[in-house]
Amino acid sequence: GAGVSQSPSNKVTEKGKDVELRCDPISGHTALYWYRQSLGQGLEFLIYFQGNSAPDKSGLPSDRFSAERTGGSVSTLTIQRTQQEDSAVYLCASSSFHPNEQFFGPGTRLTVL
Amino acid sequence: GENVEQHPSTLSVQEGDSAVIKCTYSDSASNYFPWYKQELGKGPQLIIDIRSNVGEKKDQRIAVTLNKTAKHFSLHITETQPEDSAVYFCASSRGGGADGLTFGKGTHLIIQP
Repeated sequence: GAGVSQSPSNKVTEKGKDVELRCDPISGHTALYWYRQSLGQGLEFLIYFQGNSAPDKSGLPSDRFSAERTGGSVSTLTIQRTQQEDSAVYLCASSSFHPNEQFFGPGTRLTVL
Repeated sequence: GENVEQHPSTLSVQEGDSAVIKCTYSDSASNYFPWYKQELGKGPQLIIDIRSNVGEKKDQRIAVTLNKTAKHFSLHITETQPEDSAVYFCASSRGGGADGLTFGKGTHLIIQP
């Protein structure tokens, strides 16, 4: 069956521009997660959705980061006024319920010039 | 918050030998411990997990052990093969809360032919 998909796979942007990253979870999965992986580092948890609600947004690095989920399915992660330190791979995962096995997408590689 | 330490950062073993990767965690409330394998350019793939009511779990050549008293868990790979070469991440989660997984920084496993 279809796994978690993310788009775009690569995004190059200029410092100060806004970017939007998309995640399509596995069909029927109610929980959705965003993580950030900087070069050679482990994964940093950003935010979690149960349905369309995000109980805790404190993992987001700054107020330039926001995320939403609509219809209990697709989620978007938006980064405003991008900075060079935002360059990383942004990974999305979904699970059938929280907490349970999380299945990851291939990630979006963001490069801020 | 939770802190997960992972060792070693790089591990080189001869094909056919065993590999062991160790992790420690700080939050005694953590009760779910997955291991992920990440190949270059791909998202992490869940390979095995263990919950706190179990001390050991095995799946073919892969096993995980958990010592809740000492707050550490380990991944054991026997009869290593070239396709086992990848970066392996341990992680932990409390479960039940609005938190994601806390990851270790990863182990680069190299299988020497």
